[in-house]
Amino acid sequence: EPEVTQTPSHQVTQMGQEVILRCVPISNHLYFYWYRQILGQKVEFLVSFYNNEISEKSEIFDDQFSVERPDGSNFTLKIRSTKLEDSAMYFCASSEGETGDRDEQFFGPGTRLTVL
Amino acid sequence: GEDVEQSLFLSVREGDSSVINCTYTDSSSTYLYWYKQEPGAGLQLLTYIFSNMDMKQDQRLTVLLNKKDKHLSLRIADTQTGDSAIYFCAETLSGGYNKLIFGAGTRLAVHP
Repeated sequence: EPEVTQTPSHQVTQMGQEVILRCVPISNHLYFYWYRQILGQKVEFLVSFYNNEISEKSEIFDDQFSVERPDGSNFTLKIRSTKLEDSAMYFCASSEGETGDRDEQFFGPGTRLTVL
Repeated sequence: GEDVEQSLFLSVREGDSSVINCTYTDSSSTYLYWYKQEPGAGLQLLTYIFSNMDMKQDQRLTVLLNKKDKHLSLRIADTQTGDSAIYFCAETLSGGYNKLIFGAGTRLAVHP
């Protein structure tokens, strides 16, 4: 069964460093998403991406964040200069992009980012 | 504003029914969802309900929606140890470009 994969499973970085979190969405999906969950808090929407551009982003997704689909398979989230409060589990998701009905999002297992 | 609330923890005996509750604030919900997260795994869609329905049954799972009170519940009949996980309530809103708004998750512990 096709699934969304994410690498690495755990990333440790120093404050101020850049990190890139990688995701491989399901191959025929057209919409891609990043969410994050700070320990003990809610899963929060960060950004959605369609047709090589951002379709929606949250207030969390400031200039320190960027997303890219560098090739036909990967979808990346870059944090330019990490802060302690960026420590969280980051989930990637993808969906087919069905219209007129519910468009199910399939989630990856997450990348745990720890900023020291 | 957009807000989804859940209780954080539920403990049940194996074989009993579990009821996980969720409240939301936005009136423009289109779909409401229940996701399950097992340790080390991603969020797995369990079931969903369209906002103009009030009940949906799927094998051991029953979803009840009270739109007036903005209350959603998930009942798991004959709860098994394999049901131990974190259960997330989520919604999508009309005009929301399909972004999911999640609660904090309810940890379900099933004991013998």
